[in-house]
Order: sequence, then structure tokens, then C-alpha cells
Amino acid sequence: TQLLEQSPQFLSIQEGENLTVYCNSSSVFSSLQWYRQEPGEGPVLLVTVVTGGEVKKLKRLTFQFGDARKDSSLHITAAQPGDTGLYLCAGMDSNYQLIWGAGTKLIIKP
Amino acid sequence: NAGVTQTPKFRVLKTGQSMTLLCAQDMNHEYMYWYRQDPGMGLRLIHYSVGEGTTAKGEVPDGYNVSRLKKQNFLLGLESAAPSQTSVYFCASSYRLAGGDTQYFGPGTRLTVL
Repeated sequence: TQLLEQSPQFLSIQEGENLTVYCNSSSVFSSLQWYRQEPGEGPVLLVTVVTGGEVKKLKRLTFQFGDARKDSSLHITAAQPGDTGLYLCAGMDSNYQLIWGAGTKLIIKP
Repeated sequence: NAGVTQTPKFRVLKTGQSMTLLCAQDMNHEYMYWYRQDPGMGLRLIHYSVGEGTTAKGEVPDGYNVSRLKKQNFLLGLESAAPSQTSVYFCASSYRLAGGDTQYFGPGTRLTVL
């Protein structure tokens, strides 16, 4: 069974702090996506990374795909209350199956 | 442009009852998916469809059936509900295969089976 492990499972920090969320696996993925989900809503895609070592920036969010395409990280600079939500990573494996992580619940306190 | 809509939003069933969840998308997407989301377990794929008239099993298909008679609709059926099927159900659609394209999710259906 392929697994995508996300850490931490829960993170509560003050507004203005920086944070990093990790998504790790022993499997290689052809692409990896990050989604954000707010309470009572479905996940919304933030970014897709495809190339090993790829770095993508979305305002204060920086996404990195590991060189071996087995792991990824999401770094948020100067977190704001609007960043609060559940962050999910999902990787597409060699069988074109999408494997989901369990998520990191992030709370940014004003 | 409503995107992906799901009905109903909430439902309470008794063990053994049946129900159908409806998903509709207006983006002309070929691919549609049904997931369940349980605390601490992320999203798990129940069934999916790669086009009108076609369906396939996902990771956790037991106890569920699906149909895609029209391109814009994807129905999820529970023939005999069990407490283990208490969950939040999400429908999603994409133009190309999930993982290589954006999946658009509906708002979810919260189902409780007593």
C-alpha cells in the first residue's frame, strides 16, 4: 500500500510566523498536488508540481517537489488568519492512481 | 457557471436504508470521481468515471454503486447503508486525469448512518 504521510497533522501558530508542512512517501510520483480545504467545503487546488526539484511560488506560499519526486513541502511566510484550513497533498503514481495524504490542519491565530 | 454541485448536503439514514447522492458538473468534464473523507484518513476514492456510460472501482468500492448515464451527472448509491458508511462524501470532476489536471470538488454531503 502506497502512503503519503503528511506532517505535522496539526499546527497552530500566531499570525506573522513562518511554517513548513511536509508530504513524504517511499514511492515516486509523476506529479504532486497541494489542495486547501476550508470547513464545509471541498478541496481547492493550489499548485501542481511535476519536475524533481521544482519550486513554485504562490504569493506567500512556496511549494517544492523533492529531487527524487518522493516528497514535497509547503512553506508559508508571514502566515495570516486567511491561511487557516486543511492542507492536503496528493501524488499521482506510475499506475495513474492519485494517492492522498491525510492532511495538515493549520490554524493561524490573529 | 455553478461548477460541481452535490445534493443533498446532509442526510441521516437508518442501517439498511438506501439512498442516492447526486453530483452534477457544468464544465463538460470527462472525468468524475466520488470520494469519502473520514477524520485522519484523507480522501479515499470510491468509484470514478472516465466518460459517459463508463465507471470503475476505486480504493474503497464495497457497499457502493455508481452510474453515469449523462456526461454531466454522476450518481452514487448506497443499497443498504451501514454505520461504517458515515462520512463526508465529495464528488469531483476534471478535464483530464486527476493528478495531471485540476480536480474541481463539490461542497460535500455529510451522511450519518444510525
